[in-house]
Formats: sequence, C-alpha cells, structure tokens
Amino acid sequence: GESVGLHLPTLSVQEGDNSIINCAYSNSASDYFIWYKQESGKGPQFIIDIRSNMDKRQGQRVTVLLNKTVKHLSLQIAATQPGDSAVYFCAENYSGGYNKLIFGAGTRLAVHP
Amino acid sequence: DAGVIQSPRHEVTEMGQEVTLRCKPISGHDYLFWYRQTMMRGLELLIYFNNNVPIDDSGMPEDRFSAKMPNASFSTLKIQPSEPRDSAVYFCASSLGLNEKLFFGSGTQLSVL
Repeated sequence: GESVGLHLPTLSVQEGDNSIINCAYSNSASDYFIWYKQESGKGPQFIIDIRSNMDKRQGQRVTVLLNKTVKHLSLQIAATQPGDSAVYFCAENYSGGYNKLIFGAGTRLAVHP
Repeated sequence: DAGVIQSPRHEVTEMGQEVTLRCKPISGHDYLFWYRQTMMRGLELLIYFNNNVPIDDSGMPEDRFSAKMPNASFSTLKIQPSEPRDSAVYFCASSLGLNEKLFFGSGTQLSVL
C-alpha cells in the first residue's frame, strides 16, 4: 500500500473470499516486518509479524509472505469476514541509525456480504 | 493489563493554546513511542524513549513539540503554541524491545481551531 495522498488504495472482496494485501517496503536492510489492522476510531492492532530470516509465517486465518529480493510483503486473509473490514498497514523496522518502525500508507479492505 | 492508556480521547483547542497529551504504557515495556497520524502523511514516528530516556526525536516537527517521560509509567507530549496544522490523531505505543511488536493506545484526536 503506497501513499496516494488523501485516498487510500481500497481492496473490495466478497465475504468468504480470500484477500491479499500487498506492501512494498523501502529499505533492504530492514529486518523485521509487522502487519497492523486499524478500525475506525481505534489504534492500530497487531496482526502478525515476520523476521527477515523467514519468507512465510502463518497465523490464524492470516499468512504473511516476505520477498526480500523485490522488497515486497503481503498479507493473505483466508475466508474474509465483515469484521476484517479495516485499514491495514505494513511496517518495517528500519535499522539505519536508530531502530524504528516505519509504517506504509495503508490499504483499506472492504468486505461485502 | 489494560493496554496502553491515552488521555484525553479528544481535544479541541484554539490556535496558540498549549496542549498536553498523556500516555501510560503497558507495565514492563521498556520502549515508548509517540506517533502522529494524518490522512496526508499517514503514521509518523515523532519520538521514542527507552527506559524513560529519549532516544530518537528526529521526527518531532518543530520546537513547539516536546515530550517527556518522568517515570516508567507516564509520558507527555506537549505542543506549545498549537497551530491548526497540528490537528491529527496522536498515538502512544509501547513495546518490550525495539524489534518487538508495538501495542498502541486508542489515540488522542486533536483539533486546533
């Protein structure tokens, strides 16, 4: 999810379908990545993380894939539910200078019944 | 644990007034972060602390912004004087370590008129 100014990229899916949200990260030296979910009026909520020595990690209904060659991260949500509707952010731990998490612009997931 | 607690939930003030945002991190977390979220710029890291000591304040936009952490259970972010362009949602987050997931508070919605 890259920034497009005022408008977040939106992914619309049907309830029950699988969702794939993509993210391009910026720094090849980043060694830790996290996906967050943010519902309206709430703070970001941790979903799943992955370290750079892995290329795939699975959680409950979610899978994160990491492709370090092209600096790409994806979040797969199986059997998407209405409660999954939110903005999803990827974050990379930028190791240059001080370690800190840098967040992407976000992707809005809209789940339709 | 109640999670990261922020106050106030909403703050409306007039330009030129001093604003103080408060945060109580999760007990035992050694790192505390202040983020600002706007539609145009997304989630931006302002400053973070390790064991109550500011480590990286390179994200603090101007001298009008200051942050303190007098003890392990309390931090403040102050804006003096406030300006309309400071209007945003300010999040506090804490973590056990740098390469660890952040836990976010519910945020403070700041509106400067």
